[in-house]
Amino acid sequence: KQEVTQIPAALSVPEGENLVLNCSFTDSAIYNLQWFRQDPGKGLTSLLLIQSSQREQTSGRLNASLDKSSGRSTLYIAASQPGDSATYLCAWEYSGAGSYQLTFGKGTKLSVIP
Amino acid sequence: DVKVTQSSRYLVKRTGEKVFLECVQDMDHENMFWYRQDPGLGLRLIYFSYDVKMKEKGDIPEGYSVSREKKERFSLILESASTNQTSMYLCASSLIGRDWYSNQPQHFGDGTRLSIL
Repeated sequence: KQEVTQIPAALSVPEGENLVLNCSFTDSAIYNLQWFRQDPGKGLTSLLLIQSSQREQTSGRLNASLDKSSGRSTLYIAASQPGDSATYLCAWEYSGAGSYQLTFGKGTKLSVIP
Repeated sequence: DVKVTQSSRYLVKRTGEKVFLECVQDMDHENMFWYRQDPGLGLRLIYFSYDVKMKEKGDIPEGYSVSREKKERFSLILESASTNQTSMYLCASSLIGRDWYSNQPQHFGDGTRLSIL
């Protein structure tokens, strides 16, 4: 069964720093790797989706990369802001003949200190 | 913008009751999903549906059923609620990709915090 691990579980940085969040998965067969953010008491907001054939995706100050061979994805946040404070989750998605799996990591709680 | 609406933000029910959680999306998405989120366990997929009247079990379907009579509405049913079903329930929807299953981003509702007493 696929396992998705996010390290660290929590991270606190001063405003303006660049930072990297990590996501690792045990099964390299992959369809999509998706990054979400979740604000307290809210649902998830999709940030970036990397399809299996892609290596990275960018949106504004966010850049996500995917390395299937090492079973890792990273989310890079440039010039962090207090509004970036949230929990960030990655999700590994696999679909094949008669099979579908979607597995989330437990998240990294980010605090950006003004 | 995609809007996924869950009928209740907070719900309190009693053990043994039949509980319905409703989810509606307004973007004509084929795929709809139900998750539960628990501290220390993260998000886990309960059921999903890729078309009207179609459903597939996720990782933890026991004690739950679903209904998808219309494309925009996906209901989660707790047949006989138990205290271990106290949780945050999240609904999501997405467009179907070029393959049978989705490869498009999922859009989430704000969740229903369900307490079973």
